[in-house]
Amino acid sequence: DVVVTQSPLSLPVTPGEPASISCRSSESLLHRSGYFYLDWYLQKPGQSPQLLIYLTSNRASGVPERFSVRGSGTDFTLTISKVEAEDAGVYYCMQTLRSRTFGQGTKLEIK
Amino acid sequence: QVQLQESGPGLMKPSETLSLTCTVSGGSISGYYWSWVRRPPGKGLEWIGYIHYSGITNYNPSLWSRVTMSVDTSRNQFSLKLTFVTAADTATYYCARLNRVATVSGYDYHSMDAWGQGTTVTVSS
Repeated sequence: DVVVTQSPLSLPVTPGEPASISCRSSESLLHRSGYFYLDWYLQKPGQSPQLLIYLTSNRASGVPERFSVRGSGTDFTLTISKVEAEDAGVYYCMQTLRSRTFGQGTKLEIK
Repeated sequence: QVQLQESGPGLMKPSETLSLTCTVSGGSISGYYWSWVRRPPGKGLEWIGYIHYSGITNYNPSLWSRVTMSVDTSRNQFSLKLTFVTAADTATYYCARLNRVATVSGYDYHSMDAWGQGTTVTVSS
């Protein structure tokens, strides 16, 4: 099974400041297509999860440009360039190469 | 815009079989993959599995022996059955559409782009 590990698990951030979340997998997420098979989801308080980023670095419809992902192989980082209050919630990375596995989640809190 | 709505028993006893249904409106169930995800209280999301409208399935290896998914295209619904539930199966269960969001080098890539509101299932004696 592919194990996905996120860090930190809790991330307090001041509005306007950047924030980064690390996602590491137990094996490379490189698919034969040449792409890395990784998604990011955000679950805001009281809401269902929503797709944030797909296929490593593609923002889903309506997702602001302040969200970006860099990385390759087993290590990926989601960065929010300037955090806004509406960004609060739990962020999950999910490998989609072999079946699907979520990371533990990172709770982003607004200071 | 497609909408998904879960329905289920709410409260169950250990060893019973959980049956959940997801009703899809605003779009057809045909042509898509459909997923189930759960979130136990105080924990993170857990992927349960997915089913193609044709009946092809893929289950989480940790749950596969207890999970069965099915599709009813005539009712625009898909379902989840989980046998021999325990307190560890207490969670909010979500259904989601696995939509083709990209095609790369000839391969279709699917992500969960539409979700239901979730239904809470509590297993307690």
